[in-house]
Amino acid sequence: DVKVTQSSRYLVKRTGEKVFLECVQDMDHENMFWYRQDPGLGLRLIYFSYDVKMKEKGDIPEGYSVSREKKERFSLILESASTNQTSMYLCASRFFLAGVADTQYFGPGTRLTVL
Amino acid sequence: AQKITQTQPGMFVQEKEAVTLDCTYDTSDPSYGLFWYKQPSSGEMIFLIYQGSYDQQNATEGRYSLNFQKARKSANLVISASQLGDSAMYFCAMREGNGNQFYFGTGTSLTVIP
Repeated sequence: DVKVTQSSRYLVKRTGEKVFLECVQDMDHENMFWYRQDPGLGLRLIYFSYDVKMKEKGDIPEGYSVSREKKERFSLILESASTNQTSMYLCASRFFLAGVADTQYFGPGTRLTVL
Repeated sequence: AQKITQTQPGMFVQEKEAVTLDCTYDTSDPSYGLFWYKQPSSGEMIFLIYQGSYDQQNATEGRYSLNFQKARKSANLVISASQLGDSAMYFCAMREGNGNQFYFGTGTSLTVIP
């Protein structure tokens, strides 16, 4: 069975702290994603990675960075957490076969609260 | 302009009846993909169905079908024979080209009434 895991379901941090959110997939997928989900706004793409050490900015990368040192692991880093980064963070990995299939598999999410 | 628009914040349907959730999209790329995801109250996003822009037939997966009307830029999700377990948030999404840029709508909350 396909599996995407995230390091924490709930996290509480203080303003200014450096925060690491980790995501691991066991499907050998090349493409991985970080989204944030806020009520009334849907999911918004923060960053994605299409290979080890390769990354691209999504729609809202400000205040975030990412790291992909191994294929199965994609980390989201909040360099200096702020209260407006309080949100649900969802990681996904993508299976894509042109003309046949395109599926993102999501992790359970991390609900981050920044005080 | 919004890439994905879901105009129904909330919907109700009687158990065993069919329901249509609306989704319109905006892109000038001839190649794109359309998706529907379900998010129950537990929070996990579950992939339901995928439609490629060049697919001639509407996608179907069990009780889910995607009503793809290309000229109208519409990709409505039809759930047949609703079940209580279908109560959840439903998100429409689009991928432009064959890249990794995905756009999600704001979601529709579906409640199935016994």
